[in-house]
Amino acid sequence: DGGITQSPKYLFRKEGQNVTLSCEQNLNHDAMYWYRQDPGQGLRLIYYSQIVNDFQKGDIAEGYSVSREKKESFPLTVTSAQKNPTAFYLCASTPRGTSAYNEQFFGPGTRLTVL
Amino acid sequence: KNQVEQSPQSLIILEGKNCTLQCNYTVSPFSNLRWYKQDTGRGPVSLTIMTFSENTKSNGRYTATLDADTKQSSLHITASQLSDSASYICVVSAGGSYIPTFGRGTSLIVHP
Repeated sequence: DGGITQSPKYLFRKEGQNVTLSCEQNLNHDAMYWYRQDPGQGLRLIYYSQIVNDFQKGDIAEGYSVSREKKESFPLTVTSAQKNPTAFYLCASTPRGTSAYNEQFFGPGTRLTVL
Repeated sequence: KNQVEQSPQSLIILEGKNCTLQCNYTVSPFSNLRWYKQDTGRGPVSLTIMTFSENTKSNGRYTATLDADTKQSSLHITASQLSDSASYICVVSAGGSYIPTFGRGTSLIVHP
């Protein structure tokens, strides 16, 4: 099956710890995105990558870091510098080309809770 | 600044009834508008996409409309089912941009 996988589905973190959320896709998509979703709010862009070894900050990148060493993978690290990390995190991907028409395919999400 | 506003914030209806969700946007230059359905605890899934020249598009019991002049879109759900309970998100893309603008969504609950 083609698609996007995120792991783990639930993640608990103690304050002061870094955690890494996994995102893998086998759709051969070039662009990948990380969003954060809080109750009652729209999706907010954290980071995005249009090509391997390149990525750009989104609207709320502070306290987060990413890497894009492989086309299929775009892991997100939530660092201790992120003051309010408890949220639902969604990874998405799109094929390259006619950018604005591309449907964003989303993974199932990871719910991060800071204890 | 590009913005997408959705109304109502939440809606409760009885199974079998119809409902209409609204989306107003100020995205420029407009390229396309998508409606996504997001089940609780899951990722959003695209229902429809509409471009500037399209007024109406259907996907089963879901019908989306677009008025590019007034910058409004609606999503009409016919004969609602319990499985329609979800958040519906309006997403608007600007021409030449890889990054769409998301609305906050309308939470729909369908009661038996």
